[in-house]
Amino acid sequence: DAGVIQSPRHEVTEMGQEVTLRCKPISGHDYLFWYRQTMMRGLELLIYFNNNVPIDDSGMPEDRFSAKMPNASFSTLKIQPSEPRDSAVYFCASSLRGSSGETQYFGPGTRLLVL
Amino acid sequence: AQKVTQAQTEISVVEKEDVTLDCVYETRDTTYYLFWYKQPPSGELVFLIRRNSFDEQNEISGRYSWNFQKSTSSFNFTITASQVVDSAVYFCALSEAGTGANNLFFGTGTRLTVIP
Repeated sequence: DAGVIQSPRHEVTEMGQEVTLRCKPISGHDYLFWYRQTMMRGLELLIYFNNNVPIDDSGMPEDRFSAKMPNASFSTLKIQPSEPRDSAVYFCASSLRGSSGETQYFGPGTRLLVL
Repeated sequence: AQKVTQAQTEISVVEKEDVTLDCVYETRDTTYYLFWYKQPPSGELVFLIRRNSFDEQNEISGRYSWNFQKSTSSFNFTITASQVVDSAVYFCALSEAGTGANNLFFGTGTRLTVIP
């Protein structure tokens, strides 16, 4: 079975541009998570969805960040406008259920560089 | 306060040596779960193991073994006869049942370099 799929794998953009990151979770998984990884802050949870509904977006850094999940097999994380401090690796993960202890499976990540 | 502490930032070993990566966690929940993930140079996060707080049995998977000790709040990871392919950053993570949700608290990671 395919794991979590993310695209693009690498993105280089200029400050002020809109960036859209995409994720396809593992089929049958009801929960989808977006994380950001930086040297300074490590791995941070940005937002997670249950059955396509956002449950907790308290980790989203500011209004420039938005996430959607229009259906069970697709989610986007959008940054508009992007800033150099948004440069990071963005991971999408999915789990079968959302209860604590459920294993989250991560995608390969999108490495974003904002110039 | 850090919920998960990985005090070893970087470790270097020579191939075939054994190495132990430390993980100390902090929680008030009686039910919790611990994880290890591997992040190789290619960047993806690979799930290695999950343990719940009621199962203190040590686990062995090939060259990998895990030692869970509630008395010291530790969940250490040992690689036996290390290989160059083991070079990666390893993350320990905690999920607490009390939150009611699958929030993973990650440690800062330990970068392991295996020298041929």
